[in-house]
Amino acid sequence: QQPVQSPQAVILREGEDAVINCSSSKALYSVHWYRQKHGEAPVFLMILLKGGEQKGHDKISASFNEKKQQSSLYLTASQLSYSGTYFCGTASSSGNTPLVFGKGTRLSVIA
Amino acid sequence: KAGVTQTPRYLIKTRGQQVTLSCSPISGHRSVSWYQQTPGQGLQFLFEYFSETQRNKGNFPGRFSGRQFSNSRSEMNVSTLELGDSALYLCASSLRSQSGGSSNEQFFGPGTRLTVL
Repeated sequence: QQPVQSPQAVILREGEDAVINCSSSKALYSVHWYRQKHGEAPVFLMILLKGGEQKGHDKISASFNEKKQQSSLYLTASQLSYSGTYFCGTASSSGNTPLVFGKGTRLSVIA
Repeated sequence: KAGVTQTPRYLIKTRGQQVTLSCSPISGHRSVSWYQQTPGQGLQFLFEYFSETQRNKGNFPGRFSGRQFSNSRSEMNVSTLELGDSALYLCASSLRSQSGGSSNEQFFGPGTRLTVL
């Protein structure tokens, strides 16, 4: 099942903070976050694994609540370059399962 | 290291035709996944290939098929095109292993924009 992302869209001024949420109805093993700028391919931001391991950019922070099957991506002191659509992808096991992506959250940062 | 490449980048077809899209993964990556992206629907998983075998398939009709070659390059084919097949088709490669690897990041190609008239 497709994870649900919220909000669907958000507009920020430079320097403001935002939180993007991703929830699933299934137990999760991993949550991936990607950002896609207009006309470009999605780019990896972070992976959060069951058990607490994280892999990704130092300047991006995220959390993974295994009990609630939820993840949140925290964007602090936003910059114009943060604009884009953010997707979370979830996998229900460590094994041979595909990533299922949410519909995305469109983030616009204005000056 | 070269990234994921997809050809062609743009394609215009008419209803009823068929189309083949190509994806070359990053060297050393044996897993290739395909996604369909349409406005408002996010990335819809089509299928994943690993070492020439399809090991996962999304909820798409049989008109959508794919294959992977021994050099890990992959193709997807859509037969009897419909207007609703118009989309951006993305492929992604990763270091996913034989046993799985949902902890491996995916590297996306630039996509093929398919328009069906």
